[in-house]
Amino acid sequence: GQQLNQSPQSMFIQEGEDVSMNCTSSSIFNTWLWYKQDPGEGPVLLIALYKAGELTSNGRLTAQFGITRKDSFLNISASIPSDVGIYFCAIRGAGNMLTFGGGTRLMVKP
Amino acid sequence: EPEVTQTPSHQVTQMGQEVILRCVPISNHLYFYWYRQILGQKVEFLVSFYNNEISEKSEIFDDQFSVERPDGSNFTLKIRSTKLEDSAMYFCASVETGHNSPLHFGNGTRLTVT
Repeated sequence: GQQLNQSPQSMFIQEGEDVSMNCTSSSIFNTWLWYKQDPGEGPVLLIALYKAGELTSNGRLTAQFGITRKDSFLNISASIPSDVGIYFCAIRGAGNMLTFGGGTRLMVKP
Repeated sequence: EPEVTQTPSHQVTQMGQEVILRCVPISNHLYFYWYRQILGQKVEFLVSFYNNEISEKSEIFDDQFSVERPDGSNFTLKIRSTKLEDSAMYFCASVETGHNSPLHFGNGTRLTVT
């Protein structure tokens, strides 16, 4: 199956700092998705990207679909304690089958 | 906002036993999915279901697994003879229509096989 390389695996930052994480793939995809998973809950969609070069924001979150269509990044500005969780990139295959990256565990120190 | 609901939230079973995990997708959704997440690992696709049949399935979804939509509201995942390595969080998801709609995930069932 498809492999997505997501980095970093974890981040421990101070409240107020900006955060950046990214995903890369060896294949080209038409859709990149970013999800957040809180403890004990299912993944929740944050941002969906459909076009190469697309830059989309959702509040303090900004994500970009790489020009090569093989990568994407997610930025969180001015982090707050509730940003804590695991962030996953994902690509969409046939039949809405999602392949997830390995996740970035974000910890925010107040 | 409508939600995908899953029961039970935690299921403990002995190796070799059958388990059924239950999901109630969002009512007007047409496509249904099961994913699993082994502790500390990424979320993995198991199976997709549309129009009362399996659309796609992964290598994980072997003969021990089956899915069913027994009525108009429930969507179940059955594991016939559980193994220790089946211990994981199992997430149900549904989508309204088409293949570009966002998936809505339930909060999962934690399956522990002892």
